[in-house]
Amino acid sequence: QSALTQPASVSGSPGQSITISCTGTSSDIGGYNYVSWYQQHPGKAPKLMIYDVTNRPSGVSSRFSGSKSGNTASLTISGLQAEDEADYYCTSYASSGTPVVFGGGTKLTVL
Amino acid sequence: QVQLEQSGAEVKKPGASVKVSCKTSGYSLTGHYMHWVRQAPGQGLEWMGWINPNSGVTDYAQKFQGRVTMTRDTSISTAYMELNRLRSDDTAVYYCARRVSGNSWYFDYWGQGTLVTVSS
Repeated sequence: QSALTQPASVSGSPGQSITISCTGTSSDIGGYNYVSWYQQHPGKAPKLMIYDVTNRPSGVSSRFSGSKSGNTASLTISGLQAEDEADYYCTSYASSGTPVVFGGGTKLTVL
Repeated sequence: QVQLEQSGAEVKKPGASVKVSCKTSGYSLTGHYMHWVRQAPGQGLEWMGWINPNSGVTDYAQKFQGRVTMTRDTSISTAYMELNRLRSDDTAVYYCARRVSGNSWYFDYWGQGTLVTVSS
């Protein structure tokens, strides 16, 4: 059982927007602005997409955005494209237990 | 450019040990904490621990305490993760991941992963 809760799957059509939620507690997501999101294609290493809740690394499309409200963080992908089909993981710093906690991952299907 | 190059796939018998290497280039190993994350087949990511390559200080997830050892050799810019007393459920891809410097907590570069298969 993962420390952060994500939906197992989401789907959308090309051009649409989708949002993936990531729910934690006040000891992780709610207590710190250290939420990051990773994209993982099959057989590949995770790739950083969002860091510190809302920031995009250089080279990541502006179609990807992050936000947080209370103990829940969200990743929104607008203008869905076929290449966005992948698994997405949220992670956060945590002050209790392990310092890094992951979500269970969300499989994004582009219809 | 920053690169993390991991050692190749391993097949081990239950009870054996495995040591995975992560050779870094494009930056100073001692400037960033190195974390290890694993992913069982079809499963999510699981944090294992970190090493401060500058001091050698480590912190391990409780689940792996007593079985995992993270080390580094700064002369060859390489970090290592050794897991002992392997079980079948240790079959996974093991990743090294560089934590960004400073106060934030995210991984900006990852190794390509090393598949460790534990089977009799």
